[in-house]
Amino acid sequence: QQQVKQSPQSLIVQKGGISIINCAYENTAFDYFPWYQQFPGKGPALLIAIRPDVSEKKEGRFTISFNKSAKQFSLHIMDSQPGDSATYFCAASERGSQGNLIFGKGTKLSVKP
Amino acid sequence: KAGVTQTPRYLIKTRGQQVTLSCSPISGHRSVSWYQQTPGQGLQFLFEYFSETQRNKGNFPGRFSGRQFSNSRSEMNVSTLELGDSALYLCASSFSRSTDTQYFGPGTRLTVL
Repeated sequence: QQQVKQSPQSLIVQKGGISIINCAYENTAFDYFPWYQQFPGKGPALLIAIRPDVSEKKEGRFTISFNKSAKQFSLHIMDSQPGDSATYFCAASERGSQGNLIFGKGTKLSVKP
Repeated sequence: KAGVTQTPRYLIKTRGQQVTLSCSPISGHRSVSWYQQTPGQGLQFLFEYFSETQRNKGNFPGRFSGRQFSNSRSEMNVSTLELGDSALYLCASSFSRSTDTQYFGPGTRLTVL
């Protein structure tokens, strides 16, 4: 059972454009929603994270939008750059179990110059 | 501060053998989690250790086991290796179980022939 569904699987964006990746979850006990960025040959690195009591969180060019009633959250990358080309994973965990992250399948982003 | 280190980085084994992977968390971090990453299944949670005790376990067979030492270093063991165990094994550490941010190591690439 896939508890976190991520789309699209791959995304091609022009430099300067907006990249949008969406995730949906089923478990209402989830209360922590991070996004990770992974480059080839590297481990995932935390990009930005949100809790359900906030509808939006912005850090630099990265923004998470969270819709608790729809059980959906999304990552927006503004002014996308070729250096942003990587695989992005959304994840979720329950309170007190942050060590047990449930990941989406990932989105491979390619930013064309 | 040094990041999460994992050894070895690459490993080739044959079916039926057993393997031990090692993870050294960030200094001061007491929680260690292990994940398996494959192209088909994505990132899947294996287990979480805190204070030398397994706190959570993912849906993997008993061939997968782990332990944590008093210095928070962790090892995972896979016995009777199968071809399907070929994967990138990632270790992540955090300060405590209730701390949000997990920091991932670069992983150990296991190939089973």
